[in-house]
Amino acid sequence: DTEVTQTPKHLVMGMTNKKSLKCEQHMGHRAMYWYKQKAKKPPELMFVYSYEKLSINESVPSRFSPECPNSSLLNLHLHALQPEDSALYLCASSQESGNRDYGYTFGSGTRLTVV
Amino acid sequence: KQEVTQIPAALSVPEGENLVLNCSFTDSAIYNLQWFRQDPGKGLTSLLLIQSSQREQTSGRLNASLDKSSGRSTLYIAASQPGDSATYLCAVKTYGNSGGSNYKLTFGKGTLLTVNP
Repeated sequence: DTEVTQTPKHLVMGMTNKKSLKCEQHMGHRAMYWYKQKAKKPPELMFVYSYEKLSINESVPSRFSPECPNSSLLNLHLHALQPEDSALYLCASSQESGNRDYGYTFGSGTRLTVV
Repeated sequence: KQEVTQIPAALSVPEGENLVLNCSFTDSAIYNLQWFRQDPGKGLTSLLLIQSSQREQTSGRLNASLDKSSGRSTLYIAASQPGDSATYLCAVKTYGNSGGSNYKLTFGKGTLLTVNP
């Protein structure tokens, strides 16, 4: 399995809703990432988990709450979002082995619309 | 702070043409460089990964080169096809601040490629 799987593919939520995005990989990668991408812009890093521990939070508002229950699974919990949070949310994973880095593998993303 | 620039921002070519996409970065202390393809509204598909010690990588009609000392990479696409139409993103991986335990992937803004039949 060489994929990163994200669910759902599309999500519409109201500003008072609570929802979660899910990301799963079975490549044995020990680093997992959440990125946010607005239209016609490059992806922006939100969070990095390394060995199931949060290692980087790029000053993301607390209405976004990441969780890494195990080495294969990464969640992003959403609460009280704003319309400007509407974007494509991408999950990625990576693994380094010795002196060799195999690059990042991205999922197909969740298209989030906040109404 | 690492900055990645991609030129051109958009490119439109007739089918069959060979083309070159350019990527430059300001800090040459990179770990590796990765080229991605992104179709509208979709995720990123990795095309080629070049380690900092390598000069080029090839996959089918794609060839990527890396000149770390000058901070440049090129993606060469041979015999372009309409199915190659997409946004191409260049990303460099650099060392973090915590003794190298945290890395950062910095993206360029991409080149939007249109291949006309």
